[in-house]
Amino acid sequence: AQTVTQSQPEMSVQEAETVTLSCTYDTSESDYYLFWYKQPPSRQMILVIRQEAYKQQNATENRFSVNFQKAAKSFSLKISDSQLGDAAMYFCAYRSARSGGSNYKLTFGKGTLLTVNP
Amino acid sequence: EAQVTQNPRYLITVTGKKLTVTCSQNMNHEYMSWYRQDPGLGLRQIYYSMNVEVTDKGDVPEGYKVSRKEKRNFPLILESPSPNQTSLYFCASKGLAAYRGEQFFGPGTRLTVL
Repeated sequence: AQTVTQSQPEMSVQEAETVTLSCTYDTSESDYYLFWYKQPPSRQMILVIRQEAYKQQNATENRFSVNFQKAAKSFSLKISDSQLGDAAMYFCAYRSARSGGSNYKLTFGKGTLLTVNP
Repeated sequence: EAQVTQNPRYLITVTGKKLTVTCSQNMNHEYMSWYRQDPGLGLRQIYYSMNVEVTDKGDVPEGYKVSRKEKRNFPLILESPSPNQTSLYFCASKGLAAYRGEQFFGPGTRLTVL
């Protein structure tokens, strides 16, 4: 079974600075998807960024980028120019690229609570 | 607007009183799923459905039932709720043709069982 580990329960960053959230995962599969979700106080789950394992290039979405190290099974999220609105719980998630019912399940880490200080 | 809706958003109930949390999506998605979120545990899948009348257990199905009689709806049923089912519940849906794997989440339902 796949597992996702977020080793930092809480992180803090100064406004306008850069912060990196860590995520490691364990799988025996070679093709899969990785995601970072943001959960603000409203509790809505918001997809921040996705990475397909077969792509070597790291995904980027505006101020958010990932460092995907497939061999090390590591998937960190870098937030540049942090803003007050970035304060939230961040979840790393894994999904198999296989088709079929149980393979569509998202396996989540326990989350990292990010605080942004003004 | 493409969306997943859940009702109610908040619910306080007592042990043993049957309840249903509804989930509806307007994107014609085949796949729908329920997750529960607990502090320090992240989100865990309860049940999922591949299409109408096709449902299966996720990782934590005990104490829950689901049904999929219509493609757009996927209600979560707690026939005899217990305090350990106090949690934040999310419904999610996904089109099977969406190759990039994105799932759409509902806004969440905060359930408290006394």
